[in-house]
Amino acid sequence: QVQLQESGPGLVKPSGTLSLTCGVSGGSISSNINWWSWVRQPPGKGLEWIGEIYHSGSTNYNPSLKSRVTISIDNSKNQFYLKLNSVTAADTAVYYCARGLGGLLDYWGQGTLVTVSS
Amino acid sequence: DIQMTQSPSSLSASVGDRVTITCRASQDISNYLVWYQQKPGKVPKLLIYAASTLQSGVPSRFSGSGSGTDFTLSISSLQPEDVASYYCQKYNSAPLTFGQGTRLEIK
Repeated sequence: QVQLQESGPGLVKPSGTLSLTCGVSGGSISSNINWWSWVRQPPGKGLEWIGEIYHSGSTNYNPSLKSRVTISIDNSKNQFYLKLNSVTAADTAVYYCARGLGGLLDYWGQGTLVTVSS
Repeated sequence: DIQMTQSPSSLSASVGDRVTITCRASQDISNYLVWYQQKPGKVPKLLIYAASTLQSGVPSRFSGSGSGTDFTLSISSLQPEDVASYYCQKYNSAPLTFGQGTRLEIK
């Protein structure tokens, strides 16, 4: 059973950089059939896809966030990462990592709340 | 980019009612449409993929239909445990895009 777990600071200052890690267990992040996504959900609002990465390092991003987002991967650690810079209060959200299979997201982490505040 | 529009944004129905939620894509996405269920305080769960294929373990009262630009999620007989938000998402190509969600409550 694949499991994903997000980790990282729960509080980030405005204009700073949000950095999260997603650890994958029960499966290989180097799988040829999976992409690895980040999704966020502001409190009381809907889901927003941030972007995805393949084990080769290829990425796709949400155009609305592309200028501020970097997703990277470490196959040796079975982890992938999210960096979002120049954050504002609008970036306060629960951040999920998820496994992609042909574009649908079949396994999700539990999510981690990141608050942007001074 | 393709936009996904769900309706209604919220819905209140009685136990046993048939419930229908619609999702419209701004361009043809064939059947590359998935539905997720998110119960309050929980992680989204994949319900239906390829527009109409039930994920393993999902009760048969759930069904999906549609192709191209218009899709529906139906619950044949609403149960209390179906209280949740439901999201559609297109996955024919990146960027992946979610609908804005439909919050389903019991009347």
